[in-house]
Amino acid sequence: GAVVSQHPSWVICKSGTSVKIECRSLDFQATTMFWYRQFPKQSLMLMATSNEGSKATYEQGVEKDKFLINHASLTLSTLTVTSAHPEDSSFYICSAPKPGTRYNEQFFGPGTRLTVL
Amino acid sequence: AQSVAQPEDQVNVAEGNPLTVKCTYSVSGNPYLFWYVQYPNRGLQFLLKYITGDNLVKGSYGFEAEFNKSQTSFHLKKPSALVSDSALYFCAVSRGSTLGRLYFGRGTQLTVWP
Repeated sequence: GAVVSQHPSWVICKSGTSVKIECRSLDFQATTMFWYRQFPKQSLMLMATSNEGSKATYEQGVEKDKFLINHASLTLSTLTVTSAHPEDSSFYICSAPKPGTRYNEQFFGPGTRLTVL
Repeated sequence: AQSVAQPEDQVNVAEGNPLTVKCTYSVSGNPYLFWYVQYPNRGLQFLLKYITGDNLVKGSYGFEAEFNKSQTSFHLKKPSALVSDSALYFCAVSRGSTLGRLYFGRGTQLTVWP
């Protein structure tokens, strides 16, 4: 199957700093990537849809100035949590649908654990 | 609007017994249905999918699921549970026309006791 990676796998930062999380599709090109947030023992909440070459589409209630998304190339999307606060601590997961599959099957990254002190 | 319901937060079963994790969905048009498993601090792993065809779908690790259109359900099953099956299970639905967007249920924690 296709591979999606995330970096870093975990990060600890001080309140007020910014953190960048990378999502890469390693063996296919992804014009679209999805960013999810997951709280402990809860479901995945779609934050935004990242589109290569255009602006990301944010879900209702997600602050676009807080969570900056840049889809720099067909294999890389980045999520930057700006001026992070403890309430931003969460597990962030990206996914990418693989074009050419009949139903655009999604492949998930391993996730990034963000802890803001 | 698309939605998925997993009515049970927790399912407990003894090793060797059959297990069922329930899922119902609501979607306009034909649904694409998925089951994923998540181990602690890991991403989601694909288990199985229903797109079209046979209502009984077989997937990874001995899991299977049955698509029931009249009941709008897609319950996950396994004839004989293993302790290693203990994990968080997510049901998800997608409309084929939306590029890969998935709507997830809230997840069901499966615990298999030895």
